[in-house]
Amino acid sequence: KAGVTQTPRYLIKTRGQQVTLSCSPISGHRSVSWYQQTPGQGLQFLFEYFSETQRNKGNFPGRFSGRQFSNSRSEMNVSTLELGDSALYLCASSLGYNADTQYFGPGTRLTVL
Amino acid sequence: QQQVKQSPQSLIVQKGGIPIINCAYENTAFDYFPWYQQFPGKGPALLIAIRPDVSEKKEGRFTISFNKSAKQFSLHIMDSQPGDSATYFCAASKGAGSYQLTFGKGTKLSVIP
Repeated sequence: KAGVTQTPRYLIKTRGQQVTLSCSPISGHRSVSWYQQTPGQGLQFLFEYFSETQRNKGNFPGRFSGRQFSNSRSEMNVSTLELGDSALYLCASSLGYNADTQYFGPGTRLTVL
Repeated sequence: QQQVKQSPQSLIVQKGGIPIINCAYENTAFDYFPWYQQFPGKGPALLIAIRPDVSEKKEGRFTISFNKSAKQFSLHIMDSQPGDSATYFCAASKGAGSYQLTFGKGTKLSVIP
């Protein structure tokens, strides 16, 4: 089975712009979670989607949003980018039915200039 | 508020040694405790996980010890190899079907030949 794929792998944006990141989960997985990884804050949970519904949301401002499509693919959007949004954004997929194991993708490295 | 505290931040051991990484949690609602391994440029990969109803779990050279009363758990790597050099994260989540992982800050392990 193919693993979790994320596109693009690298992205450079300037302050004030917006960005959309994409995640394709493992085939058959219906839950997709997003995490932000920075050297200072570590890995922090952004949100989790299951069957196109947001089930959980972390403590991030409203500039961070996401959605999930009927094929379980997910996108996250960050509007009005700030320098502090520079991070590795990781997507993780899971079966979604009380199955705890989450499989992470390689991430998208976002740099905000 | 850091809900999962991980130590040490970095660790250097010789090949064949047994590095030990410790984590402590605060939230008694946590009931799933995975460990992830991350190599540079890659997403975290699940190593091993434990639930509070067991005190120890082994998978290959990796062992988790769990102390529910002390709210602590640790990872031991037996017969460590240079290929084990990576960053290790402990994590916790609560409730069946909850995919919101709370991560420790990570431990950078270096295994020298």
